[in-house]
Amino acid sequence: DQQVKQNSPSLSVQEGRISILNCDYTNSMFDYFLWYKKYPAEGPTFLISISSIKDKNEDGRFTVFLNKSAKHLSLHIVPSQPGDSAVYFCAAKKTNAGGTSYGKLTFGQGTILTVHP
Amino acid sequence: DTGVSQNPRHKITKRGQNVTFRCDPISEHNRLYWYRQTLGQGPEFLTYFQNEAQLEKSRLLSDRFSAERPKGSFSTLEIQRTEQGDSAMYLCASSWAQGVTTDTQYFGPGTRLTVL
Repeated sequence: DQQVKQNSPSLSVQEGRISILNCDYTNSMFDYFLWYKKYPAEGPTFLISISSIKDKNEDGRFTVFLNKSAKHLSLHIVPSQPGDSAVYFCAAKKTNAGGTSYGKLTFGQGTILTVHP
Repeated sequence: DTGVSQNPRHKITKRGQNVTFRCDPISEHNRLYWYRQTLGQGPEFLTYFQNEAQLEKSRLLSDRFSAERPKGSFSTLEIQRTEQGDSAMYLCASSWAQGVTTDTQYFGPGTRLTVL
């Protein structure tokens, strides 16, 4: 049961252009979403997150958009740089308003981004 | 802040042997997580601790797997009677969580296990 899906295994873009990475989820209980970047032989590095009460969050060249009705989020990187070449994972979790937040993250399969000079 | 560290970085073992991995979280973090990642997949949740308490375990964590965080600082993950299907990258992450605030998990470099 793949609750978080990244349907594009790979994406190739030219340096300076926009990279758009997509992610879909099926569990309507998810209300917090994160993007991680992973280089070979390293652990995932946190990039940006968004709560379900927002539809957009920006941090420098990175913007995450959330469409709750479509259960879809996307990560935009503008402008793309060769150093952005990595595997990108989206992850989702549900929080608990009852007193504490759940810990578990559910990850997608990842998208390999290649940025050509 | 030195980040999350994991040891060893690589482990090769023979089927049937026991292995133990260690994770040292970011010092002020109260939560510690274990994930497993196989080729072409995203990390899969195994278990997590808040301080010393193990709060959730995945169905992936069979009875051959055990995790501890005895003093609420470092954690160990032990796999007994390893099988070839246990070959994977084992990732540790830590975070600071208080109340209902959403916590961001920071990952270590992982331990790559190869079972021959």
